[in-house]
Amino acid sequence: DTEVTQTPKHLVMGMTNKKSLKCEQHMGHRAMYWYKQKAKKPPELMFVYSYEKLSINESVPSRFSPECPNSSLLNLHLHALQPEDSALYLCASSQDPDSPLHFGNGTRLTVT
Amino acid sequence: GENVEQHPSTLSVQEGDSAVIKCTYSDSASNYFPWYKQELGKGPQLIIDIRSNVGEKKDQRIAVTLNKTAKHFSLHITETQPEDSAVYFCAASTAGGADGLTFGKGTHLIIQP
Repeated sequence: DTEVTQTPKHLVMGMTNKKSLKCEQHMGHRAMYWYKQKAKKPPELMFVYSYEKLSINESVPSRFSPECPNSSLLNLHLHALQPEDSALYLCASSQDPDSPLHFGNGTRLTVT
Repeated sequence: GENVEQHPSTLSVQEGDSAVIKCTYSDSASNYFPWYKQELGKGPQLIIDIRSNVGEKKDQRIAVTLNKTAKHFSLHITETQPEDSAVYFCAASTAGGADGLTFGKGTHLIIQP
């Protein structure tokens, strides 16, 4: 089992809903990431937090809002999503920005 | 930005045979090349990685080779087993992932019993 824990495993939401995805790691890693993966495609980077500071925003729409309350937790707040936002959302962490990434098993999001 | 090409998209081999997956990258500044295995319903799992100051790395049945001049790297799996069936992604980045990994499009490896 992965040491990066994501909740919930599955989420169905309407376009007017507000929901949050959560990610937790207790490996002492100081960099955390959100990736989006569509079916039969590779993961695409959305956000990077390095030492709890947002260091890269890959021009993701504002309906996705990341939050890093502390070095162990990472949230992704969702609001007014579109059906095309349906995907697997993956969280990853690394010991520091120069270390390998370890992924969680993702949250499967369906927007109706 | 970085562009990573991966081939083949699907690879079917007999159990016990070897499998080779190849990737090329475009940015000569890339210096970190991990390989991930993704099984159905799970996140990508790091299986091996190599940095640009090394030409080859091996871990039991898995090996990765890197040719910096040609900008390509390969994954070699020997003595394949049914549990090796999965989608494999190569990736490239600078600074070990701080700027994010650029992934190849993936190879669906099928091990035929």
